[in-house]
Amino acid sequence: EVQLVESGGGLVRPGGSVRLSCGASGFMFGAYAMNWVRQAPGKGLEWVAAISDNGGGSTFYAESVKGRCGVSRDNFRNTLYLQLNSLTAEDTALYYCARDAMARQLSWYFDLWGRGTLVTVSS
Amino acid sequence: QSVLTQPPSVSAAAGQKVTISCSGTSSNIGNFYVAWYQHLPGTAPTLLIYDNNKRPSGIPDRFSGSKSGTSATLGITGLQTGDEADYYCGTWDNSLNNVVFGGGTKLTVL
Repeated sequence: EVQLVESGGGLVRPGGSVRLSCGASGFMFGAYAMNWVRQAPGKGLEWVAAISDNGGGSTFYAESVKGRCGVSRDNFRNTLYLQLNSLTAEDTALYYCARDAMARQLSWYFDLWGRGTLVTVSS
Repeated sequence: QSVLTQPPSVSAAAGQKVTISCSGTSSNIGNFYVAWYQHLPGTAPTLLIYDNNKRPSGIPDRFSGSKSGTSATLGITGLQTGDEADYYCGTWDNSLNNVVFGGGTKLTVL
């Protein structure tokens, strides 16, 4: 089955860090750029980060997380990661991983999404 | 405040048609393709429209997209109760070097 499954969310103290994972199955993971998109409670979708296909030589970040965020991938394990540091309450959100719709390029639209993993930043 | 502007909510009767607008600038919609997503909170969003007006396989032709200048529109005909969801437009913004989304529009089918 073609799917993405996120994990790693939970309750984190302000100033802390979280590492999210996204396991992919049913498609050639390495051929696709991958993204993280989040949704804060009661808010809309916010794009967070992207990594290019194959070796992931190119990464892209939203201003809101730049400098405290790292996106990476392990194509052997078919897994995408998001490391987010210096967390604040504004980072509380459901974090989705999403596949770029076009293999081996960046289309910047997403045809496969996971169900998300919730990160709650609170003391 | 989202970069792309959508109405917070729209409603129409079952079987009728509704349109959802998405307004941007030359940094985003004016120069890049627009995508539309359907999202039931707590579930995985679904790509409805890409490249302004194309439908992925499996998306019924009740859903349509168009773009003119710096605005885009999603149309849904033959409304069904199952269409009740949040709808988002999205595109690339070359001023922010970001993917940007609209704030979302909640569709209610009366």
